[in-house]
Amino acid sequence: ETGVTQSPTHLIKTRGQQVTLRCSSQSGHNTVSWYQQALGQGPQFIFQYYREEENGRGNFPPRFSGLQFPNYSSELNVNALELDDSALYLCASSYGLATSTDTQYFGPGTRLTVL
Amino acid sequence: QKEVEQDPGPLSVPEGAIVSLNCTYSNSAFQYFMWYRQYSRKGPELLMYTYSSGNKEDGRFTAQVDKSSKYISLFIRDSQPSDSATYLCAMKRQGNEKLTFGTGTRLTIIP
Repeated sequence: ETGVTQSPTHLIKTRGQQVTLRCSSQSGHNTVSWYQQALGQGPQFIFQYYREEENGRGNFPPRFSGLQFPNYSSELNVNALELDDSALYLCASSYGLATSTDTQYFGPGTRLTVL
Repeated sequence: QKEVEQDPGPLSVPEGAIVSLNCTYSNSAFQYFMWYRQYSRKGPELLMYTYSSGNKEDGRFTAQVDKSSKYISLFIRDSQPSDSATYLCAMKRQGNEKLTFGTGTRLTIIP
């Protein structure tokens, strides 16, 4: 167990709706990263937050947004859902140190289905 | 062209065999290399973490990095049915950067 939890486990939404996914990082981990994993693909980086500020973003449109809170919890929000947003959404936490030993630990993911 | 290429398999081998999993990459700025194991419907679990070129061994697992060839490998000795999973290579540049993953190789160990 990595100590990283995510909720909900599964979610079904319809096209055009909005969704909020939640993550609870390991205590002491100041960085949270979110990834999207489509079926049969590796995880793709969405964005990263460090101490409640966005610290890097991948090739995802602005309708993907996030928040990080002081209590090591974070959210991924997706507006105007599209069918292609169906995927496993993973959060990963790390200390946020620019050292070789800093490692990202993943939660179990939230499986989102958009109909 | 993807930054990280990984054969998606599937790969099936008999129990006890040596498994070789590989990734190639194009970005010479990558310095940190990882292998994650992902069971069905679970999040990725870190197996091995290496820096720059060289070998690292942990139990039945050995990770190799050849930066001159932009090629990394994971070897699993004495493979067990419990090793059946998808294996993802991942890499990153200096600092707490995003991880760039391969597509994953689905491995099945046949008892």
